Amino acid sequence: DIQMTQSPSSLSASVGDRVTITCRASQSISNYLNWYQQKPGKAPHILIYHASTLQSGVPSRFSGRGSGTDFTLTISSLQPEDLATYYCQQTYSILSFGGGTKVEIK
Amino acid sequence: QVQLAQSGAEMKKPGASVKVSCKSSGYTFTDYYVHWVRQAPGQGLEWMGWINPKSGGTKYAQKFQGGVTLSRDTSINTAYLEIHSLKSDDTAVYFCARFWFTGANLDVWGQGTTVTVSS
Repeated sequence: DIQMTQSPSSLSASVGDRVTITCRASQSISNYLNWYQQKPGKAPHILIYHASTLQSGVPSRFSGRGSGTDFTLTISSLQPEDLATYYCQQTYSILSFGGGTKVEIK
Repeated sequence: QVQLAQSGAEMKKPGASVKVSCKSSGYTFTDYYVHWVRQAPGQGLEWMGWINPKSGGTKYAQKFQGGVTLSRDTSINTAYLEIHSLKSDDTAVYFCARFWFTGANLDVWGQGTTVTVSS
Protein backbone atom coordinates (compact mmCIF):
# COMPACT_ATOMS: atom_id res chain seq x y z
CA ASP A 1 0.00 0.00 0.00
CA ILE A 2 1.11 3.56 -0.71
CA GLN A 3 1.63 5.68 2.40
CA MET A 4 1.06 9.43 2.24
CA THR A 5 2.86 11.68 4.72
CA GLN A 6 1.82 15.30 5.19
CA SER A 7 3.67 18.06 7.00
CA PRO A 8 3.17 19.99 9.10
CA SER A 9 0.25 18.41 10.96
CA SER A 10 -0.88 21.89 11.95
CA LEU A 11 0.07 25.49 11.37
CA SER A 12 -1.02 28.93 12.43
CA ALA A 13 -0.65 31.89 10.09
CA SER A 14 -1.92 35.42 9.67
CA VAL A 15 -4.35 36.67 7.07
CA GLY A 16 -2.37 37.49 3.94
CA ASP A 17 0.45 35.04 4.68
CA ARG A 18 1.72 32.54 2.13
CA VAL A 19 1.17 29.01 3.39
CA THR A 20 2.71 25.81 2.03
CA ILE A 21 1.77 22.24 2.92
CA THR A 22 3.89 19.28 1.87
CA CYS A 23 2.83 15.75 0.97
CA ARG A 24 5.19 12.86 0.31
CA ALA A 25 4.28 9.47 -1.16
CA SER A 26 6.08 6.26 -0.18
CA GLN A 27 6.58 5.46 -3.86
CA SER A 28 6.15 7.29 -7.14
CA ILE A 29 2.53 8.15 -7.93
CA SER A 30 3.17 10.20 -11.08
CA ASN A 31 0.70 13.09 -10.80
CA TYR A 32 -2.18 11.11 -9.27
CA LEU A 33 -2.33 13.46 -6.31
CA ASN A 34 -5.37 15.38 -5.09
CA TRP A 35 -5.86 18.01 -2.40
CA TYR A 36 -9.08 18.34 -0.40
CA GLN A 37 -10.28 20.97 2.03
CA GLN A 38 -12.46 19.99 4.97
CA LYS A 39 -14.10 22.67 7.08
CA PRO A 40 -15.27 21.80 10.60
CA GLY A 41 -18.38 19.64 10.58
CA LYS A 42 -18.50 19.39 6.78
CA ALA A 43 -17.62 16.87 4.13
CA PRO A 44 -14.30 17.31 2.32
CA HIS A 45 -14.30 18.92 -1.11
CA ILE A 46 -11.81 18.75 -3.91
CA LEU A 47 -9.47 21.71 -4.44
CA ILE A 48 -6.80 20.43 -6.81
CA TYR A 49 -6.45 17.26 -8.86
CA HIS A 50 -3.70 15.77 -10.97
CA ALA A 51 -1.29 17.57 -8.63
CA SER A 52 -1.80 21.02 -10.13
CA THR A 53 -5.22 21.38 -11.80
CA LEU A 54 -7.54 23.71 -9.95
CA GLN A 55 -11.08 22.38 -9.56
CA SER A 56 -13.69 24.68 -11.11
CA GLY A 57 -14.81 27.36 -8.69
CA VAL A 58 -11.77 27.13 -6.40
CA PRO A 59 -10.07 30.49 -5.77
CA SER A 60 -6.84 31.08 -7.65
CA ARG A 61 -4.90 31.68 -4.42
CA PHE A 62 -4.73 27.87 -4.15
CA SER A 63 -2.09 26.11 -6.22
CA GLY A 64 -0.43 22.72 -6.35
CA ARG A 65 2.89 21.44 -7.61
CA GLY A 66 4.88 18.25 -7.79
CA SER A 67 5.16 14.84 -9.38
CA GLY A 68 6.59 11.48 -8.45
CA THR A 69 6.79 11.44 -4.66
CA ASP A 70 6.87 15.09 -3.52
CA PHE A 71 3.99 17.53 -3.71
CA THR A 72 2.99 20.89 -2.29
CA LEU A 73 -0.21 22.84 -1.79
CA THR A 74 0.24 26.61 -1.52
CA ILE A 75 -2.20 29.25 -0.42
CA SER A 76 -0.71 32.48 -1.76
CA SER A 77 -2.58 34.84 0.55
CA LEU A 78 -4.37 33.20 3.48
CA GLN A 79 -7.97 34.28 4.01
CA PRO A 80 -10.17 33.81 7.10
CA GLU A 81 -12.39 31.37 5.21
CA ASP A 82 -9.37 29.09 4.62
CA LEU A 83 -9.61 27.86 8.21
CA ALA A 84 -9.84 24.12 7.57
CA THR A 85 -7.96 20.83 7.48
CA TYR A 86 -6.28 19.96 4.21
CA TYR A 87 -5.69 16.42 3.02
CA CYS A 88 -3.65 15.02 0.19
CA GLN A 89 -4.81 11.82 -1.50
CA GLN A 90 -3.23 9.49 -4.02
CA THR A 91 -5.29 7.64 -6.60
CA TYR A 92 -2.37 5.91 -8.36
CA SER A 93 -2.99 2.62 -6.59
CA ILE A 94 -6.34 2.14 -4.93
CA LEU A 95 -6.71 5.22 -2.70
CA SER A 96 -5.07 6.59 0.42
CA PHE A 97 -5.03 9.89 2.27
CA GLY A 98 -2.39 11.84 4.09
CA GLY A 99 -2.89 12.52 7.78
CA GLY A 100 -4.11 16.08 7.25
CA THR A 101 -2.86 19.59 8.01
CA LYS A 102 -4.97 21.80 10.23
CA VAL A 103 -4.69 25.46 9.25
CA GLU A 104 -5.52 28.03 11.89
CA ILE A 105 -5.69 31.79 11.61
CA LYS A 106 -3.58 33.82 14.05
CA GLN B 1 -27.82 19.27 -9.37
CA VAL B 2 -25.46 16.40 -8.68
CA GLN B 3 -25.93 15.16 -5.12
CA LEU B 4 -25.31 12.28 -2.78
CA ALA B 5 -27.76 12.19 0.12
CA GLN B 6 -26.91 9.91 3.04
CA SER B 7 -29.16 8.40 5.66
CA GLY B 8 -29.41 9.80 9.15
CA ALA B 9 -27.37 9.28 12.28
CA GLU B 10 -27.40 5.85 13.91
CA MET B 11 -26.81 4.71 17.47
CA LYS B 12 -26.04 1.02 17.90
CA LYS B 13 -24.89 -1.39 20.59
CA PRO B 14 -21.64 -3.34 20.29
CA GLY B 15 -22.08 -6.48 18.21
CA ALA B 16 -24.94 -5.09 16.14
CA SER B 17 -24.82 -4.22 12.45
CA VAL B 18 -25.67 -0.98 10.70
CA LYS B 19 -26.51 -0.17 7.08
CA VAL B 20 -25.88 3.34 5.77
CA SER B 21 -27.41 4.47 2.49
CA CYS B 22 -26.17 6.94 -0.10
CA LYS B 23 -28.75 8.05 -2.68
CA SER B 24 -27.51 9.70 -5.87
CA SER B 25 -29.33 12.29 -7.97
CA GLY B 26 -28.52 14.54 -10.91
CA TYR B 27 -26.34 12.06 -12.81
CA THR B 28 -26.34 8.49 -14.15
CA PHE B 29 -25.71 6.37 -11.06
CA THR B 30 -24.08 3.49 -12.96
CA ASP B 31 -21.48 5.73 -14.65
CA TYR B 32 -19.44 6.45 -11.49
CA TYR B 33 -17.90 4.28 -8.80
CA VAL B 34 -18.98 5.07 -5.23
CA HIS B 35 -16.31 5.14 -2.54
CA TRP B 36 -16.70 5.11 1.22
CA VAL B 37 -14.48 7.01 3.66
CA ARG B 38 -14.41 6.84 7.45
CA GLN B 39 -13.51 9.64 9.84
CA ALA B 40 -13.23 8.79 13.52
CA PRO B 41 -13.76 11.64 16.01
CA GLY B 42 -10.92 14.17 15.72
CA GLN B 43 -9.09 11.97 13.23
CA GLY B 44 -8.24 12.02 9.53
CA LEU B 45 -9.86 10.45 6.49
CA GLU B 46 -9.59 6.70 5.97
CA TRP B 47 -10.51 5.03 2.68
CA MET B 48 -12.72 1.96 3.14
CA GLY B 49 -13.55 0.69 -0.35
CA TRP B 50 -15.49 1.18 -3.54
CA ILE B 51 -18.36 -0.32 -5.45
CA ASN B 52 -18.95 -0.28 -9.19
CA PRO B 53 -22.70 0.39 -9.40
CA LYS B 54 -22.91 -1.03 -12.92
CA SER B 55 -21.46 -4.46 -12.18
CA GLY B 56 -21.72 -4.64 -8.39
CA GLY B 57 -17.99 -5.31 -8.22
CA THR B 58 -16.26 -4.19 -5.03
CA LYS B 59 -12.81 -3.50 -3.63
CA TYR B 60 -12.08 -3.13 0.08
CA ALA B 61 -9.16 -1.70 1.99
CA GLN B 62 -7.40 -4.56 3.74
CA LYS B 63 -8.30 -3.14 7.15
CA PHE B 64 -12.02 -3.37 6.42
CA GLN B 65 -12.08 -6.63 4.46
CA GLY B 66 -14.60 -8.98 6.04
CA GLY B 67 -15.94 -6.36 8.42
CA VAL B 68 -18.00 -4.33 5.95
CA THR B 69 -20.10 -5.01 2.87
CA LEU B 70 -20.74 -2.61 0.00
CA SER B 71 -23.85 -3.08 -2.12
CA ARG B 72 -26.16 -1.12 -4.37
CA ASP B 73 -29.70 -0.99 -5.70
CA THR B 74 -29.69 0.45 -9.21
CA SER B 75 -33.50 0.71 -9.28
CA ILE B 76 -33.31 3.50 -6.70
CA ASN B 77 -29.81 4.84 -7.47
CA THR B 78 -28.57 4.01 -3.99
CA ALA B 79 -25.33 2.60 -2.61
CA TYR B 80 -25.03 0.99 0.81
CA LEU B 81 -22.37 0.44 3.44
CA GLU B 82 -23.08 -2.29 5.97
CA ILE B 83 -20.80 -2.62 8.99
CA HIS B 84 -20.95 -5.91 10.87
CA SER B 85 -20.19 -6.74 14.51
CA LEU B 86 -19.85 -3.13 15.54
CA LYS B 87 -17.23 -2.15 18.11
CA SER B 88 -16.82 1.11 19.97
CA ASP B 89 -13.96 2.13 17.69
CA ASP B 90 -16.33 2.00 14.70
CA THR B 91 -17.81 5.21 16.09
CA ALA B 92 -17.19 7.63 13.26
CA VAL B 93 -18.65 9.70 10.46
CA TYR B 94 -18.98 7.71 7.25
CA PHE B 95 -18.93 9.50 3.91
CA CYS B 96 -19.83 8.26 0.47
CA ALA B 97 -18.29 9.98 -2.54
CA ARG B 98 -18.42 9.72 -6.31
CA PHE B 99 -15.21 8.96 -8.21
CA TRP B 100 -14.67 11.04 -11.31
CA PHE B 101 -12.43 8.95 -13.56
CA THR B 102 -11.16 11.75 -15.80
CA GLY B 103 -9.91 13.77 -12.88
CA ALA B 104 -9.13 10.69 -10.78
CA ASN B 105 -10.69 12.26 -7.69
CA LEU B 106 -13.70 12.15 -5.41
CA ASP B 107 -15.59 15.07 -6.86
CA VAL B 108 -18.97 14.82 -5.10
CA TRP B 109 -19.42 13.84 -1.46
CA GLY B 110 -22.38 12.93 0.70
CA GLN B 111 -22.98 14.95 3.85
CA GLY B 112 -21.77 12.15 6.11
CA THR B 113 -23.55 9.77 8.48
CA THR B 114 -22.58 9.59 12.13
CA VAL B 115 -22.56 6.09 13.59
CA THR B 116 -22.21 5.88 17.35
CA VAL B 117 -21.49 2.53 18.98
CA SER B 118 -22.14 2.45 22.70
CA SER B 119 -23.53 0.04 25.24
